Amino acid sequence: AQSVTQLDSQVPVFEEAPVELRCNYSSSVSVYLFWYVQYPNQGLQLLLKYLSGSTLVKGINGFEAEFNKSQTSFHLRKPSVHISDTAEYFCAVTWGGATNKLIFGTGTLLAVQP
Amino acid sequence: EAGVVQSPRYKIIEKKQPVAFWCNPISGHNTLYWYRQNLGQGPELLIRYENEEAVDDSQLPKDRFSAERLKGVDSTLKIQPAELGDSAVYLCASSFGQLNTEAFFGQGTRLTVV
Repeated sequence: AQSVTQLDSQVPVFEEAPVELRCNYSSSVSVYLFWYVQYPNQGLQLLLKYLSGSTLVKGINGFEAEFNKSQTSFHLRKPSVHISDTAEYFCAVTWGGATNKLIFGTGTLLAVQP
Repeated sequence: EAGVVQSPRYKIIEKKQPVAFWCNPISGHNTLYWYRQNLGQGPELLIRYENEEAVDDSQLPKDRFSAERLKGVDSTLKIQPAELGDSAVYLCASSFGQLNTEAFFGQGTRLTVV
């Protein structure tokens, strides 16, 4: 079955430090990749997406992610985090085909400390 | 422009009681999704509509859950009767076109079954 894995349930980091949130998926066939952010008691907001083209994708709030087909990964990075980046981050994948179902990972809590 | 609107934001009910959630998608969005997000997990798709047609309801527990989108605009998700394990956040999302475009999420309804 197709799956999305976020190995880190929580990532603590100091303010202004760089961060990487990891995401791996099960198959690269016709894959589309997304990162969403969820602030407390809020819905999900799209940070960035990879549909095709350049493997380095830039999103909102200074985040970027790189599609690595050989490693089936789509890690999210930011060179310098702020307190306001504290939130839950979800990687999501959809595989082309009849179902077109968006499957989410279990999420990573980014905890930015002063 | 108004985003995806859900109501109520919070609902507490006793087990075996019915409950309904309402969602109004972004104007012009033909695709509507209902997701369930359990505590500490990523969202899981319950049902996806293309206009008024449910095109993917494979994850909807049909013995107690039902949904409708009669005029292809707003939608209602119902649970009858509710069980303790139904406690979760129910998220509605909408998009224009196919799933690999951005899905916009509402703030969700947090259901607590006691």
